[in-house]
Amino acid sequence: SAVISQKPSRDICQRGTSLTIQCQVDSQVTMMFWYRQQPGQSLTLIATANQGSEATYESGFVIDKFPISRPNLTFSTLTVSNMSPEDSSIYLCSVDGSSNEQFFGPGTRLTVL
Amino acid sequence: GNSVTQMEGPVTLSEEAFLTINCTYTATGYPSLFWYVQYPGEGLQLLLKATKADDKGSNKGFEATYRKETTSFHLEKGSVQVSDSAVYFCALSAYNQGGKLIFGQGTELSVKP
Repeated sequence: SAVISQKPSRDICQRGTSLTIQCQVDSQVTMMFWYRQQPGQSLTLIATANQGSEATYESGFVIDKFPISRPNLTFSTLTVSNMSPEDSSIYLCSVDGSSNEQFFGPGTRLTVL
Repeated sequence: GNSVTQMEGPVTLSEEAFLTINCTYTATGYPSLFWYVQYPGEGLQLLLKATKADDKGSNKGFEATYRKETTSFHLEKGSVQVSDSAVYFCALSAYNQGGKLIFGQGTELSVKP
């Protein structure tokens, strides 16, 4: 399985600011995914990021709020823009495996004041 | 559409008790099914998987069998330990859905010594 790291591991931010979360994988992968996990909730897919193309966003998520970059096959960033307290969540990136499974990073714990 | 339903938690058991966490799904075609575990303060780890009907996934004493006739993938363990305390998520990856995972709501397990 792939080894995935995320930076930062946690942050406390002021409303109206933006935070960029980095996701690094130790091997080349085709698909990377970004999820949000609100407090005490399950995971919701934000978008799928493929190298060389625009990210594909799920219903309820838009590029202006969550811009994503995928410059190569081992790296992706998610930006949470113009943050509000409702954006306080854990943000997780994941990569696809060989049998439709996904492997997850440790997550970024974001608190917006 | 595709969906996953898990039994509500929290589930509290004594050490060495038998564990069952129910999971049922709705999906078109033949999805792949997964159980993930999230320990406190950590990301998600893949616990086990099954990719076709009647497959049994197993890992660390946990088992789940892909039952197409009942559209279920119940997680079981014969003797739980305090270290098994975590949140468990059932998930599916449906055919032709771009590889994305759909998660159940999660079931919190607390094992008391």
